Amino acid sequence: DAGITQSPRHKVTETGTPVTLRCHQTENHRYMYWYRQDPGHGLRLIHYSYGVKDTDKGEVSDGYSVSRSKTEDFLLTLESATSSQTSVYFCATLRSGQETQYFGPGTRLLVL
Amino acid sequence: GDSVTQMEGPVTLSEEAFLTINCTYTATGYPSLFWYVQYPGEGLQLLLKATKADDKGSNKGFEATYRKETTSFHLEKGSVQVSDSAVYFCALSQDNQGGKLIFGQGTELSVKP
Repeated sequence: DAGITQSPRHKVTETGTPVTLRCHQTENHRYMYWYRQDPGHGLRLIHYSYGVKDTDKGEVSDGYSVSRSKTEDFLLTLESATSSQTSVYFCATLRSGQETQYFGPGTRLLVL
Repeated sequence: GDSVTQMEGPVTLSEEAFLTINCTYTATGYPSLFWYVQYPGEGLQLLLKATKADDKGSNKGFEATYRKETTSFHLEKGSVQVSDSAVYFCALSQDNQGGKLIFGQGTELSVKP
């Protein structure tokens, strides 16, 4: 358990509004990831971070941005939410040298 | 690009039955391979992994062998329990850290008493 919390756990929003999801970890892991989970697709990588202020795009980054100003926090922002971004969002951290990702409990987002 | 394909679910078994969930991958080079499990209402957790060809990962009675010649990493368990009911994800990573995972679509397993 890497002490990962995600907030909010559930959110309903309207198309066109900005949304920020927060991931917080207590284990000082260097690497952090945001994935989305959709039926028939498994999980797909949105963005990831390899350190404070160091981020990069994943497979499905369009419409999303991220920020990491502290080791423990990784924020995912939907600049203008669309219905196609309705999904379950998971944050994960990676313990270096163990090739093991630890996942948070997820945030269920509904965009109306 | 790299990809992972799993057998379609849901899979329904009786307690103590033998389990196989097929996983094949397409990738350049020598990726690391993983099985993650998601219990209802929870995030994913690592079940087992293998980092090179012919390695066998094992945990909690589950096993999977990294087969380079068939590009496969099938998950097996000799005797499933009701508590094994979950969604199982096969995944690969190319970055030598276990990061930037590419997942299969997941296979839901339901075990009946």
